[in-house]
Amino acid sequence: NAGVTQTPKFQVLKTGQSMTLQCAQDMNHEYMSWYRQDPGMGLRLIHYSVGAGITDQGEVPNGYNVSRSTTEDFPLRLLSAAPSQTSVYFCASSYSSDRMYEQYFGPGTRLTVT
Amino acid sequence: GDSVTQMEGPVTLSEEAFLTINCTYTATGYPSLFWYVQYPGEGLQLLLKATKADDKGSNKGFEATYRKETTSFHLEKGSVQVSDSAVYFCACSAPLVFGKGTRLSVIA
Repeated sequence: NAGVTQTPKFQVLKTGQSMTLQCAQDMNHEYMSWYRQDPGMGLRLIHYSVGAGITDQGEVPNGYNVSRSTTEDFPLRLLSAAPSQTSVYFCASSYSSDRMYEQYFGPGTRLTVT
Repeated sequence: GDSVTQMEGPVTLSEEAFLTINCTYTATGYPSLFWYVQYPGEGLQLLLKATKADDKGSNKGFEATYRKETTSFHLEKGSVQVSDSAVYFCACSAPLVFGKGTRLSVIA
């Protein structure tokens, strides 16, 4: 199993540009989520999905869109990038949304918005 | 909503010293509790977990006990190594809520 994969690893955008961060998992996990990691802030939940076709907002959803058309993929879209979105983004997946199951994390995407 | 508070870092220890990183949580019901570790340049990896009161999670010499009466899940290791240098995150579920992380540096 490849686990959770994310592309790209690094990205630089100009303010106002759009892009999609890709996330895929091959473990048949129901639950997937996106976090951003900022210095001194820990990880904050952006959006999550409990299964294909179902998504919901986390703690910091503004400026981001998601969709979950398949079990495997959970892309994160930035429609109009802002410098405040400079961060490291992690995708994670879990067998289910049940609280007992730990999440597996991807390697992260480092995004800089100038 | 749920929240997690862990001790501020950075923490600098000499090799073979004893480590404690404090973590307390606020949650409704009975959350599961986790410690994740992030090595430089990498994503987070699960270090250990506990799913009910009085459970002890352990892995790689690290331990943490789920204390419902004090709403705590402190991470401990009896003898740290240079290779333990990383950022440690306490978290409760679900969905996962993380503490801000504690950077540990171990010097030889």
